[in-house]
Amino acid sequence: KQEVTQIPAALSVPEGENLVLNCSFTDSAIYNLQWFRQDPGKGLTSLLLIQSSQREQTSGRLNASLDKSSGRSTLYIAASQPGDSATYLCAVCDNYGQNFVFGPGTRLSVLP
Amino acid sequence: DAGITQSPRYKITETGRQVTLMCHQTWSHSYMFWYRQDLGHGLRLIYYSAAADITDKGEVPDGYVVSRSKTENFPLTLESATRSQTSVYFCASSGENYGYTFGSGTRLTVV
Repeated sequence: KQEVTQIPAALSVPEGENLVLNCSFTDSAIYNLQWFRQDPGKGLTSLLLIQSSQREQTSGRLNASLDKSSGRSTLYIAASQPGDSATYLCAVCDNYGQNFVFGPGTRLSVLP
Repeated sequence: DAGITQSPRYKITETGRQVTLMCHQTWSHSYMFWYRQDLGHGLRLIYYSAAADITDKGEVPDGYVVSRSKTENFPLTLESATRSQTSVYFCASSGENYGYTFGSGTRLTVV
């Protein structure tokens, strides 16, 4: 059974710092991996989707990498801003789109 | 409007009542999903559907019923609501790239 973990569980940084969020999964036979953002009381917003054949994806200040063989993905946020404060979830799809397994999330606070 | 919409946004119901949560998507995505999100448990899959008239159980299906007579709709029914079903429910759909798009959620309270 696929299991997804995320480290750290919570992170507090001053504005302007570059930071890395980590995601690990136990079964490397994945179809894709997706990073989401969730604001308190809100739904999930997709940030980046990495197919299994890709090694990274970039969108603005966000960069996500994928290393299937080691079962790891990282989300890099450059020049963090208070508006980046949210919970970031990693999800792994391992059956041709049938369902994602979610990690518990990393709660990020960016202090002004 | 294009996208995935859930209704109602908030619902309070009594124990034992039947409740239906609605989900509608405008993309004609094949796959649709229902998740519940609880503190300490994260997101857990209740049911999913690969196409109209094809549904399958997820991790926590007990007490829930789904149907999918049309591609765009995927309602979730709690046949006899219990307090343990108090949660936030998210519907999602998945398209050609198999990336998920989520609805805004329904916050359900069973009293």
